[in-house]
Amino acid sequence: AQTVTQSQPEMSVQEAETVTLSCTYDTSESDYYLFWYKQPPSRQMILVIRQEAYKQQNATENRFSVNFQKAAKSFSLKISDSQLGDAAMYFCAYRTPRGSQGNLIFGKGTKLSVKP
Amino acid sequence: SQTIHQWPATLVQPVGSPLSLECTVEGTSNPNLYWYRQAAGRGLQLLFYSVGIGQISSEVPQNLSASRPQDRQFILSSKKLLLSDSGFYLCAWSRSFGELFFGEGSRLTVL
Repeated sequence: AQTVTQSQPEMSVQEAETVTLSCTYDTSESDYYLFWYKQPPSRQMILVIRQEAYKQQNATENRFSVNFQKAAKSFSLKISDSQLGDAAMYFCAYRTPRGSQGNLIFGKGTKLSVKP
Repeated sequence: SQTIHQWPATLVQPVGSPLSLECTVEGTSNPNLYWYRQAAGRGLQLLFYSVGIGQISSEVPQNLSASRPQDRQFILSSKKLLLSDSGFYLCAWSRSFGELFFGEGSRLTVL
């Protein structure tokens, strides 16, 4: 069964600095998707960034980028120039095209605090 | 563009009372639909998913049920709520590939 592990329950970063959130996953599939979702105190899950496993190039969305290491099954999120609005829970998620009609499997999350 | 809405946003119910949470999607057709539950301080747990009208798959045996009476409507129900049903419920939709898009969530407190 696929699993997603986020080993950092909490992280803290100074405003304007860079922080990296870790995520590892376990799967026997070769084709899948990986995501980072942000859940602010308002509680709505917001997609931050996505990565298709067949793409070697790391995805980037403005200040957010990932380090995707397929062989190591690692998918970390880097937030550059951190802002106060980045404070939230961050969830790493995995999705396979097969099984449970593409259900997302989530990690337990990392709570990110941003210090002014 | 596609949008997803769920309601009510907040609900306080006594033990043993019924429940109905509703979710609708606009701007797309034949979406996959999902209900997730998030307990305090924990990750998300998939409860139900649906790939079409009347087609419901349950991931976890429990006190809850789901229905999809229309293509873009997904309802989470219970006949008798338990204390353990308290939590944050999220509806989501997706195409057959790619990311899931989540609604605003419904906070249920069972007293």
